[in-house]
Amino acid sequence: GDSVTQMEGPVTLSEEAFLTINCTYTATGYPSLFWYVQYPGEGLQLLLKATKADDKGSNKGFEATYRKETTSFHLEKGSVQVSDSAVYFCALSHRGDDKIIFGKGTRLHILP
Amino acid sequence: DTGVSQDPRHKITKRGQNVTFRCDPISEHNRLYWYRQTLGQGPEFLTYFQNEAQLEKSRLLSDRFSAERPKGSFSTLEIQRTEQGDSAMYLCASSLGGDNEQFFGPGTRLTVL
Repeated sequence: GDSVTQMEGPVTLSEEAFLTINCTYTATGYPSLFWYVQYPGEGLQLLLKATKADDKGSNKGFEATYRKETTSFHLEKGSVQVSDSAVYFCALSHRGDDKIIFGKGTRLHILP
Repeated sequence: DTGVSQDPRHKITKRGQNVTFRCDPISEHNRLYWYRQTLGQGPEFLTYFQNEAQLEKSRLLSDRFSAERPKGSFSTLEIQRTEQGDSAMYLCASSLGGDNEQFFGPGTRLTVL
């Protein structure tokens, strides 16, 4: 079945450092890919998405590119802030199939 | 606040007891989803509704679990004869139709002693 694998955390960085969180997927066809973020005490929020190969999703300085050839959707940010500390989930879903399949999540700590 | 709300936020129960959780979706959203998230894992799909109809159930949803959405608005998730393995965060989400963004509630954390 479909699955998502993302790098294990926690990831600890200093403020203004460059961030990469790796994500690869296994799926039939051409799923949509997502990054969700969960801030402490809050619900999951959609951070960005991409619906087809070579699409780049971006939001709040975060970017991820849908790479069909490597089945990857790595999350990047050029300069992280303390407020980016959260748990990040890579996920996929298929058009017409409402369930979202999530990775295990990566906890990110940003030190001031 | 007009987001998805869940009640209670925390529930502690003893093994063998029944528990019920409530989810209020965003008012115009016709689709409602339940997910379960255990410690260190991502959310796993349980079931979803379109209006009052339950359209899909995961194999994770054993016969001790039942979900309803009687009037196509709020939904309840009941767990009968709880087991320690049911301890998890239960997440609710809603969307306006399929293939649209799902908005998540804050979750109900269940602890079974």
